[in-house]
Amino acid sequence: EAQVTQNPRYLITVTGKKLTVTCSQNMNHEYMSWYRQDPGLGLRQIYYSMNVEVTDKGDVPEGYKVSRKEKRNFPLILESPSPNQTSLYFCAARRGGVNNEQFFGPGTRLTVL
Amino acid sequence: ILNVEQSPQSLHVQEGDSTNFTCSFPSSNFYALHWYRWETAKSPEALFVMTLNGDEKKKGRISATLNTKEGYSYLYIKGSQPEDSATYLCASNYGGSQGNLIFGKGTKLSVKP
Repeated sequence: EAQVTQNPRYLITVTGKKLTVTCSQNMNHEYMSWYRQDPGLGLRQIYYSMNVEVTDKGDVPEGYKVSRKEKRNFPLILESPSPNQTSLYFCAARRGGVNNEQFFGPGTRLTVL
Repeated sequence: ILNVEQSPQSLHVQEGDSTNFTCSFPSSNFYALHWYRWETAKSPEALFVMTLNGDEKKKGRISATLNTKEGYSYLYIKGSQPEDSATYLCASNYGGSQGNLIFGKGTKLSVKP
């Protein structure tokens, strides 16, 4: 079954405590992306990756890092989380071209106190 | 960065009503238009990916049309059911055929029994 998994699903943390949200896909898709969803703002892209070792900034990259060392994994790193990073985060994967559907992970609800 | 606009923001209909919503996007450098269905507490799931002007796609009671020259797409739901209640997202590309998607803010549909 085609799947994108994320962990953890829920996380409450404190300002400044480094955290990583993992994302993994079993479809061998080249393209992966992270989004955050905030009320009234819709899905906004944080970072994306076209393939292994190829990453680039999306619309709202400040405060985040990513890596793509293997095709299946695309972790999102918050080096020093702040309350304005409280949000719902989605990882997504698709085959290379933009004419392919994106598969979304189940979401990670992060609260930074 | 292009803007993808969706209207209306929300819609309340009775069971059995047919309904439609609009997605508008810049028509220049167009490659693809995506529709996703997003149920509460779940992740977005692809309904349609459309690429050609005049495309019409159908899945059960849901259908979509695409006009790339004027930059709009319609999503239609025939005979709405309570299980159709969800937020419907559209997204269009920017950055070329291997590029990213930018999402509209969605239309939230509530179907009352």
